Amino acid sequence: GEDVEQSLFLSVREGDSSVINCTYTDSSSTYLYWYKQEPGAGLQLLTYIFSNMDMKQDQRLTVLLNKKDKHLSLRIADTQTGDSAIYFCAERLTGGGNKLTFGTGTQLKVEL
Amino acid sequence: GAGVSQSPSNKVTEKGKDVELRCDPISGHTALYWYRQSLGQGLEFLIYFQGNSAPDKSGLPSDRFSAERTGGSVSTLTIQRTQQEDSAVYLCASSTTRTGNYEQYFGPGTRLTVT
Repeated sequence: GEDVEQSLFLSVREGDSSVINCTYTDSSSTYLYWYKQEPGAGLQLLTYIFSNMDMKQDQRLTVLLNKKDKHLSLRIADTQTGDSAIYFCAERLTGGGNKLTFGTGTQLKVEL
Repeated sequence: GAGVSQSPSNKVTEKGKDVELRCDPISGHTALYWYRQSLGQGLEFLIYFQGNSAPDKSGLPSDRFSAERTGGSVSTLTIQRTQQEDSAVYLCASSTTRTGNYEQYFGPGTRLTVT
């Protein structure tokens, strides 16, 4: 199957770390991506990880991939109010053409 | 332009009318994708173009939906005889195979409302 699931909502205080989780069921994922969507806007690509990696760091963002458990996470360090948005994980499957299968999205709310 | 552009940004149409949505991909990107985002269904893939051909149309929900791409650039998504369940945000994305990462860059979307 191609189900990708995320928790719906996360609330954190400004300056704390945020961890957004994603689980997927298809083990043939090649690339996994994180996108950010602000209200009324399109999707902004934040980062990606190749399936043979287990960690990738990019400034305040850290992506962790556990292939055994089919679990992906995005950690945002020093979360700011500008990070408030909906975050989507997405997978690109081997042999699935180039389409992306998206998760349900996690709404991150950053409180002062 | 620097990014993917879509027009119109908003479209309100009456049930039964046809609509055309346009996407201008990033210059030089050979791959183009259409997705639909709605409250009930989340983000769904519709169709993928490589150049002017569409090797994957598996996400088009009915034969009322069609898309074409000309000159390896601009794409148009057409919805005939619109229904209220077609109301959604239609997102276009493009990518290049040169980097090997298949990153898809999205436009701002067209919000379609069928009354």
